[in-house]
Amino acid sequence: QKEVEQDPGPLSVPEGAIVSLNCTYSNSAFQYFMWYRQYSRKGPELLMYTYSSGNKEDGRFTAQVDKSSKYISLFIRDSQPSDSATYLCAPRTGGSYIPTFGRGTSLIVHP
Amino acid sequence: EAGVAQSPRYKIIEKRQSVAFWCNPISGHATLYWYQQILGQGPKLLIQFQNNGVVDDSQLPKDRFSAERLKGVDSTLKIQPAKLEDSAVYLCASSISGGPGELFFGEGSRLTVL
Repeated sequence: QKEVEQDPGPLSVPEGAIVSLNCTYSNSAFQYFMWYRQYSRKGPELLMYTYSSGNKEDGRFTAQVDKSSKYISLFIRDSQPSDSATYLCAPRTGGSYIPTFGRGTSLIVHP
Repeated sequence: EAGVAQSPRYKIIEKRQSVAFWCNPISGHATLYWYQQILGQGPKLLIQFQNNGVVDDSQLPKDRFSAERLKGVDSTLKIQPAKLEDSAVYLCASSISGGPGELFFGEGSRLTVL
């Protein structure tokens, strides 16, 4: 079992849809839960992060962590074609700044 | 603020040849990372530098890969000899200490080994 699992997709949705991207993990020592967005032929960029369990909202994006079930979610409201990218979940422990990347979920938002 | 610079963007070589990639991190970022991203997979850490010292190179295939960061700024990653399975994007990232530990990535160097 990999430490971080993500469905690779692709997930195809119409513009304006609510998108749910998910990740599971096995390491209970993870404390920071990062989401990186990677456009085609570009490097990943940090989208948002949460610390420990709970929700965090940033504009159209909401990150949610449930440590009891080791489940991480990213919700995108009113999705736009510009959201089309690969979304990588990347949790890390408190003692290391090195995240463990999932394989990413490819999202396609069509007009 | 200038981002992480990498070169070359694309490289095609024959197996058993050698290749080198260069990275210039964001000014002031003490930590530098090299990642390998194979198509359809997430980035995999190869090596982490803190200033010019190696912090973690446990996943670097040392029989063929080498990396250095002279003077604690620029870094080079070398592969010699290359194998078909080395075809991937090589990403350089840098970060500062503290906070969530955001990694700032370059656009990557895409290697194709024929």
